Amino acid sequence: ETGVTQSPTHLIKTRGQQVTLRCSSQSGHNTVSWYQQALGQGPQFIFQYYREEENGRGNFPPRFSGLQFPNYSSELNVNALELDDSALYLCASSLGDDSTEAFFGQGTRLTVV
Amino acid sequence: AQSVTQLGSHVSVSEGALVLLRCNYSSSVPPYLFWYVQYPNQGLQLLLKYTSAATLVKGINGFEAEFKKSETSFHLTKPSAHMSDAAEYFCAVSGTGRRALTFGSGTRLQVQP
Repeated sequence: ETGVTQSPTHLIKTRGQQVTLRCSSQSGHNTVSWYQQALGQGPQFIFQYYREEENGRGNFPPRFSGLQFPNYSSELNVNALELDDSALYLCASSLGDDSTEAFFGQGTRLTVV
Repeated sequence: AQSVTQLGSHVSVSEGALVLLRCNYSSSVPPYLFWYVQYPNQGLQLLLKYTSAATLVKGINGFEAEFKKSETSFHLTKPSAHMSDAAEYFCAVSGTGRRALTFGSGTRLQVQP
């Protein structure tokens, strides 16, 4: 049984650019949730994808968007990057939209310069 | 809406001493409560969770937490700290729909030899 894997582990982007982060869910899981963790803070919920549809969204602007594929892997896309987007982005997978059974990946560290 | 407050951004204990990390929650529905641990440059690992069964919850690595509705608290304890316990600890709550987790701002635990 494979765990939740995220790629890349680190990347650096320039303000105004676009970025795509990827997440492979744990085997058997059909739901992926994304969180943003700024330095020194707790993670904040961005959105959840369940059966390829957005299934809940936190207080993030529309330039944060996502996709879920038929194999339940997921992408997080961020357009028009701002310096404040620098953070650790965490992906969590679960079976169904129940957060009580979510498992987290190691995260992608995004630095915007 | 739900929220958690972690009292004390930094806690320092001696090896072998009691660990007590404080978490108070606010929720308009019966909450599900969680404690996660995060080691440097890593994702989140679930220590334990309360899902309305027993109020005293035992987790991994010797940690436990007690749900006290009257005090709206879910404090994390460990009888004897080990050096390997040094990490960031996050309390989280899941409310209506249980899709998203709301995290506290974290407590950094230092263990002194």
